[in-house]
Amino acid sequence: AQSVTQLGSHVSVSEGALVLLRCNYSSSVPPYLFWYVQYPNQGLQLLLKYTSAATLVKGINGFEAEFKKSETSFHLTKPSAHMSDAAEYFCAVNRQAGTALIFGKGTTLSVSS
Amino acid sequence: DTGVSQDPRHKITKRGQNVTFRCDPISEHNRLYWYRQTLGQGPEFLTYFQNEAQLEKSRLLSDRFSAERPKGSFSTLEIQRTEQGDSAMYLCASSQQGVHSGANVLTFGAGSRLTVL
Repeated sequence: AQSVTQLGSHVSVSEGALVLLRCNYSSSVPPYLFWYVQYPNQGLQLLLKYTSAATLVKGINGFEAEFKKSETSFHLTKPSAHMSDAAEYFCAVNRQAGTALIFGKGTTLSVSS
Repeated sequence: DTGVSQDPRHKITKRGQNVTFRCDPISEHNRLYWYRQTLGQGPEFLTYFQNEAQLEKSRLLSDRFSAERPKGSFSTLEIQRTEQGDSAMYLCASSQQGVHSGANVLTFGAGSRLTVL
């Protein structure tokens, strides 16, 4: 069965520093992978998705993620953190093609000035 | 298109009462999902519909929970005889799923927060 594991429930960075949020997946078939962001009192917003077209996926707000099959990873990065990036980030996988998403437990990103 | 709407945004109720949440999906979307999210956790899948048909229910959806999507448009999630453990954010999402498309991109509403006293 498909699942995702997010390493680190809380990540703190300084403004301008590299952001790295880790996600490992478990899947018996090539997965569809997603990163969503949740700002306080708001719904989840899609950052980016991997659909096997390209291993490096670019998303909104300067985020990108790289699919590495050998490491079963789909880590989210941003070269330079901004204060507005402070939020909760969720990695997700399609349980099977076309059905509900299964989410990780989330990583809270804090950005200090 | 106003996105996915959920109502009410916040509900406070006493243990044992019934509550109902409503979700209005994006109009052209054929799939509708319900998730539950508790503090410090990711969203947990509850159930989903394709048009008016309820295709899957999670084991998390006890007998006290029932969801409907009577005309394939809006959906309701009812919780009967609420318990304190039901306190959570209930999220609704919708998607347009074609026959051959695999990556299912869900658009989420802002959620309905339930507090059971």
